[in-house]
Amino acid sequence: GQQVMQIPQYQHVQEGEDFTTYCNSSTTLSNIQWYKQRPGGHPVFLIQLVKSGEVKKQKRLTFQFGEAKKNSSLHITATQTTDVGTYFCAGAGGTSYGKLTFGQGTILTVHP
Amino acid sequence: GAGVSQSPRYKVAKRGQDVALRCDPISGHVSLFWYQQALGQGPEFLTYFQNEAQLDKSGLPSDRFFAERPEGSVSTLKIQRTQQEDSAVYLCASSLYPPGLNSPLHFGNGTRLTVT
Repeated sequence: GQQVMQIPQYQHVQEGEDFTTYCNSSTTLSNIQWYKQRPGGHPVFLIQLVKSGEVKKQKRLTFQFGEAKKNSSLHITATQTTDVGTYFCAGAGGTSYGKLTFGQGTILTVHP
Repeated sequence: GAGVSQSPRYKVAKRGQDVALRCDPISGHVSLFWYQQALGQGPEFLTYFQNEAQLDKSGLPSDRFFAERPEGSVSTLKIQRTQQEDSAVYLCASSLYPPGLNSPLHFGNGTRLTVT
């Protein structure tokens, strides 16, 4: 079945440093979504990418979808303590109608 | 407006007991999903409803797990004869459109189930 791998598992940064998490799928995706989960909270939708090679920006966050639609990345510029949480990618596609497959997430901690 | 509401927030069950977890999606949302999230892991898909129809239940771990959404709104996830490996957070999510239209998921706060 479809697998979505995410690296790194953990990332510790000093406030102001940049952060990147990478997502790779075993199959071609129709779209990829990114979610953020704060400690003790639930996943909150950030963005969706649909087109091959698509790049979207939200303030300090930059999201990319690979040309082959099998990988994606999230880059945060100049991290802040409010960026703390777990970032998940979730892919949809193939024969998995209705099912988003989540990566295992990257836990980001930011030291002030 | 109101988000996805789940109850109870916490549930402790003795091994062998049956439990029922409730999800009240955002009004008007067609799609409803149940996910299981173990500690330190990403959400794992359990099942999907489009209105009252259960279109995908491929993620349900065993026949002890049963989900329903009889009127296309509120959904219940039932686990019979709970086992320790069932301990996890159960997340419900709804979305406005069917998945093919790429609409985002809105998650509830989850039910943390602990089986002792």
